[in-house]
Amino acid sequence: EDKVVQSPLSLVVHEGDTVTLNCSYEVTNFRSLLWYKQEKKAPTFLFMLTSSGIEKKSGRLSSILDKKELFSILNITATQTGDSAVYLCAVSDSWGKLQFGAGTQVVVTP
Amino acid sequence: NAGVTQTPKFRVLKTGQSMTLLCAQDMNHEYMYWYRQDPGMGLRLIHYSVGEGTTAKGEVPDGYNVSRLKKQNFLLGLESAAPSQTSVYFCASSYSMSVTAQYFGPGTRLLVL
Repeated sequence: EDKVVQSPLSLVVHEGDTVTLNCSYEVTNFRSLLWYKQEKKAPTFLFMLTSSGIEKKSGRLSSILDKKELFSILNITATQTGDSAVYLCAVSDSWGKLQFGAGTQVVVTP
Repeated sequence: NAGVTQTPKFRVLKTGQSMTLLCAQDMNHEYMYWYRQDPGMGLRLIHYSVGEGTTAKGEVPDGYNVSRLKKQNFLLGLESAAPSQTSVYFCASSYSMSVTAQYFGPGTRLLVL
């Protein structure tokens, strides 16, 4: 059975800390892995990873995929209170259907 | 450019009532999706559409029907609502199924009493 597992489920950090979020997966016919940020409402797209070992970076956020070990990490450096959100990992199969993990809730305290 | 919009934002139903959720996108995307989000379970795909006039079942289709009569609209129907359908419903769209990311609407919160 396909599954996407995120860890930790939640964490609390202080502003300025670095956060590492994990996503492991077992999905038949893997095509890509996506990260989303969800604040109050709609998930917003962060990254899509298709190739192993190539880091994607956007400001203080970065992500990398390991297709051999079937996992991805999302790093947030120099965290700010605006980074508080639920971070969702999703894996796309060859048909393009997304399977989501349960998410990691990140709380950044001032 | 509004992106993906959903109506209504919030609705309360009694068990057995029916309703339709509307999703509209103005990005000329071919592919559209309906998800539900429940605490601790992430987003689960209900139904999806790969183009106007087509629909397909996702992971949790029971109790829902969909229609895609126009490319920009994707409707989700509940024929006889049950308390288990209390959830937040998100619509999403994408240019293609596998190449680009899916973009989400703001969600509809549904409470079934």
